[in-house]
Amino acid sequence: EVQLVESGGGLVQPGRSLRLSCAASGFTFDDYAMHWVRQAPGKGLEWVSGISWNSGSIGYADSVKGRFTISRDNAKNSLYLQMNSLRAEDTALYYCAKDVRDYYGSGSSPFFDYWGQGTLVTVSS
Amino acid sequence: NFMLTQPHSVSESPGKTVTISCTRSSGSIASNYVQWYQQRPGSSPTTVIYEDNQRPSGVPDRFSGSIDSSSNSASLTISGLKTEDEADYYCQSYDSSSVVFGGGTKLTVL
Repeated sequence: EVQLVESGGGLVQPGRSLRLSCAASGFTFDDYAMHWVRQAPGKGLEWVSGISWNSGSIGYADSVKGRFTISRDNAKNSLYLQMNSLRAEDTALYYCAKDVRDYYGSGSSPFFDYWGQGTLVTVSS
Repeated sequence: NFMLTQPHSVSESPGKTVTISCTRSSGSIASNYVQWYQQRPGSSPTTVIYEDNQRPSGVPDRFSGSIDSSSNSASLTISGLKTEDEADYYCQSYDSSSVVFGGGTKLTVL
């Protein structure tokens, strides 16, 4: 059974940092690209970042580019999101999502077949 | 980047058919696959349609997807509506640099 378990969320002040983790199990982690998708309270889904199976291709939404860094450790079956210079508008439930393909990047047409339950990040003073 | 525009909400009675649209703002709707996700309250999204019109195993054939190049839009059609179909539905596609979601449509089955 595929499981994606996010952790690391919490209350943080504006301008501070937070690191999210996603522990994956039930599939061969290094065969697939992975993504972070967020959902602000009462709002829709927003893609945040994606990373290919070997970290060779990475992408970010314009709203987080330069502030967030996605990474993965295939030996630990884990996905990470380092979030710096956090803003109030980053407040959201952050989902880890598995891609159906191994490659993320130009021509890949990604989509998600499994999602975690999310970890809540609240940015407030 | 392009945008995907969905109606904010739709409602229909049980047993009826409803169609949710997803219009691409620029570029061809046919240039990248469209997916549809269902999100029930308090739950994570699940895929109901992928690659424009494919159903994952376990999704009933009451769910179907299509694209229309003339209107540059994709559609999700749910027939034989059940109360359990009440949820938010999101379309999703991709361009050369990022994944794009539509704003979501709240389906009420009343």
